[in-house]
Amino acid sequence: AQSVTQLGSHVSVSEGALVLLRCNYSSSVPPYLFWYVQYPNQGLQLLLKYTSAATLVKGINGFEAEFKKSETSFHLTKPSAHMSDAAEYFCAVSNNNDMRFGAGTRLTVKP
Amino acid sequence: DTAVSQTPKYLVTQMGNDKSIKCEQNLGHDTMYWYKQDSKKFLKIMFSYNNKELIINETVPNRFSPKSPDKAHLNLHINSLELGDSAVYFCASSPFIGGSETQYFGPGTRLLVL
Repeated sequence: AQSVTQLGSHVSVSEGALVLLRCNYSSSVPPYLFWYVQYPNQGLQLLLKYTSAATLVKGINGFEAEFKKSETSFHLTKPSAHMSDAAEYFCAVSNNNDMRFGAGTRLTVKP
Repeated sequence: DTAVSQTPKYLVTQMGNDKSIKCEQNLGHDTMYWYKQDSKKFLKIMFSYNNKELIINETVPNRFSPKSPDKAHLNLHINSLELGDSAVYFCASSPFIGGSETQYFGPGTRLLVL
């Protein structure tokens, strides 16, 4: 069975600072990995996904994530946080038709 | 032109009642899902359908019954509602069944059971 663990339920950064949201996965087969974002009172929206092509994946809104098999990690980064990045972020792992989400990380951006 | 829509957006009801949530996608996708998000934001898959056939049926009380009249619709009926059913329910769809497929989420239905 696959699973993901998101380290840190809440991350707070200053506007303009680096954003780093951590995700570690567990999967018995090569995984497909996703980052989704949820803004308040909305559904989830895909930021980026890894599907065994390039290990560095670029997504929307300046986010990117790097797949590191040796560390079983898929951390999400953005060089410079913007106020509009404040949201809940979910890492997910998928195998066949079964997507499992992490517990989420709430990102707060301080002015 | 909402891609995945859900009705109603909010649902407040009494314990013991029966209610339905409707989901429609206009993306032409084959696969649809229901998720439950609890008050701690934890998101758990409940069901998935591919071409109107049930694919995933997680450990969900049998008071929850999904119905897919066609590929574009996946409704969720809940019998004998309990306090613990209060949550946000999300419908999602993906082009095909398969691990690499992106899922597109609806806006959610906020259910409060009193």
